[in-house]
Amino acid sequence: SQKIEQNSEALNIQEGKTATLTCNYTNYSPAYLQWYRQDPGRGPVFLLLIRENEKEKRKERLKVTFDTTLKQSLFHITASQPADSATYLCALDISGTGANNLFFGTGTRLTVIP
Amino acid sequence: EADIYQTPRYLVIGTGKKITLECSQTMGHDKMYWYQQDPGMELHLIHYSYGVNSTEKGDLSSESTVSRIRTEHFPLTLESARPSHTSQYLCASSVSALPGNTIYFGEGSWLTVV
Repeated sequence: SQKIEQNSEALNIQEGKTATLTCNYTNYSPAYLQWYRQDPGRGPVFLLLIRENEKEKRKERLKVTFDTTLKQSLFHITASQPADSATYLCALDISGTGANNLFFGTGTRLTVIP
Repeated sequence: EADIYQTPRYLVIGTGKKITLECSQTMGHDKMYWYQQDPGMELHLIHYSYGVNSTEKGDLSSESTVSRIRTEHFPLTLESARPSHTSQYLCASSVSALPGNTIYFGEGSWLTVV
């Protein structure tokens, strides 16, 4: 069956360190992979998108890698800050043509400790 | 910041009551969606729409219904609420032309059926 796994439900990290979150998938061939941030009681907010033919994407302190051979994406936050504490969701877009093809992982809850 | 609004944010209602969750967006997006998310669980697509007079069921079966009479408005209705309907409901929208179909979410509606 189709499955998206994000590493550990919770990740604690010291302020200033690099946080690395993992998204593994099986039985998909996604055209795009997206990362969202979700704060408690709020809707997810889009962060980054990476295409299947891209290896790496950066945006300020964020970096996403996409390895279609390993079926894995890594999401890095460098110089982490307490304000980065949130749940981070990966989402796979199978065809890029409609939300009926967008599948979300359960998320990793990141806590940055001052 | 996305201009997509959901009301009510929080609702406690008795079993058997009819409820409508409102969702409006002012971005002129053609696609709109409803997701359901239980605490700590992944988002599941329950309804989507490609435009006016278009509605489709998502991956997760739901007893709710939706309508799309105007581009900016996508209400979700439960004819007879049950405790199993207790969940967070997230409305979202996107533009067809955006690569990877990036989705903009509302703040969510928390429904509790007692």
